[in-house]
Amino acid sequence: QKEVEQDPGPLSVPEGAIVSLNCTYSNSAFQYFMWYRQYSRKGPELLMYTYSSGNKEDGRFTAQVDKSSKYISLFIRDSQPSDSATYLCAMSGNDYKLSFGAGTTVTVRA
Amino acid sequence: GAGVSQSPSNKVTEKGKDVELRCDPISGHTALYWYRQSLGQGLEFLIYFQGNSAPDKSGLPSDRFSAERTGGSVSTLTIQRTQQEDSAVYLCASSLIAGANYGYTFGSGTRLTVV
Repeated sequence: QKEVEQDPGPLSVPEGAIVSLNCTYSNSAFQYFMWYRQYSRKGPELLMYTYSSGNKEDGRFTAQVDKSSKYISLFIRDSQPSDSATYLCAMSGNDYKLSFGAGTTVTVRA
Repeated sequence: GAGVSQSPSNKVTEKGKDVELRCDPISGHTALYWYRQSLGQGLEFLIYFQGNSAPDKSGLPSDRFSAERTGGSVSTLTIQRTQQEDSAVYLCASSLIAGANYGYTFGSGTRLTVV
């Protein structure tokens, strides 16, 4: 079993829809949770960062962490074609190493 | 520089040849990381540098893989006697201070194809 599980999709939604992405993990030592966005042929860029459990909102993006269930989510409201990308969840304990999910490919149709 | 720069962006090599991949991190970033992204897989940690030292090489898949960093800046990942399973995107990242919670900045990667 992988340390971080993420459904690879692909996910296709119409413009304006809510995109819901999630990951589960097995390592209870994880306390830093991130979402990266990766466009084709580009490196991942940090989108959202959350420490421990709770919610964080940034514009159209909301990240949720439930440590008791070992489950994290990312919601994208009012999705735009420019949101079409691969979304990677990543997490870490109190060190430098990130454990990544496999990534979910999202297409927002105009 | 403004971002993490990697070269070459694409590399096609014959099985058995050696390849060198270069990473130029953000100026002043003391921590540098190499990850590998295979098709359908998440990013896989390879090695971490703090300055010119590599305290964690635990992710290097075999002794055919090595890396160095000089002047606290540029890093080179070398793969000797390449195999087809080495085909992947090799990503470099840097951060001001070591620690995933400080946020990495990734380069665009080197896409390696071994034929």
